[in-house]
Amino acid sequence: ETGVTQTPRHLVMGMTNKKSLKCEQHLGHNAMYWYKQSAKKPLELMFVYSLEERVENNSVPSRFSPECPNSSHLFLHLHTLQPEDSALYLCASSQSAGGLYNSPLHFGNGTRLTVT
Amino acid sequence: TQLLEQSPQFLSIQEGENLTVYCNSSSVFSSLQWYRQEPGEGPVLLVTVVTGGEVKKLKRLTFQFGDARKDSSLHITAAQPGDTGLYLCAANNAGNMLTFGGGTRLMVKP
Repeated sequence: ETGVTQTPRHLVMGMTNKKSLKCEQHLGHNAMYWYKQSAKKPLELMFVYSLEERVENNSVPSRFSPECPNSSHLFLHLHTLQPEDSALYLCASSQSAGGLYNSPLHFGNGTRLTVT
Repeated sequence: TQLLEQSPQFLSIQEGENLTVYCNSSSVFSSLQWYRQEPGEGPVLLVTVVTGGEVKKLKRLTFQFGDARKDSSLHITAAQPGDTGLYLCAANNAGNMLTFGGGTRLMVKP
């Protein structure tokens, strides 16, 4: 399998639930990202990991907790979410952090999250 | 904060028409990327432009980076239904993370 794979594709959860999103990249990249895509808003960067160390945390609420156990896997742990957290959550990877011209982003197909 | 404004937000055209979408900012960027996102999928990189005034072509798509490296345009010739999708521009300054524009949602009707 190649590219960036995200599971699950769809997730419906209540506000008191705890769930996790998973991302796996098979590209040998060193950086991984979580983005949030909401209707009528630009893609919002949430977290960046470079060589398994978090290098960016864009003022994301603590109900979102990332985990990067190795350079190929990235998780987003969710707990006590709000309805406004409903969105498409995209994972991406790049050779090096920053998405520079010589290190573009490769995205997964996202997890469509609905919080009820 | 680097703000990227894309216009138009929505565009619906007939197959065979030409169109241009824009990505503008007041900031200077070291590079700018265009991505296309189809329904149910993640964004896919189309092109990266680096030099002011640079023009790149990808089949029927022509990308231009402004001379001052503050803006970019994407021109599609003879649009086809397969061009339908969300077109996103993204840019950064050296060392900073990518900032994305709000996107142009294009629909090409057969």
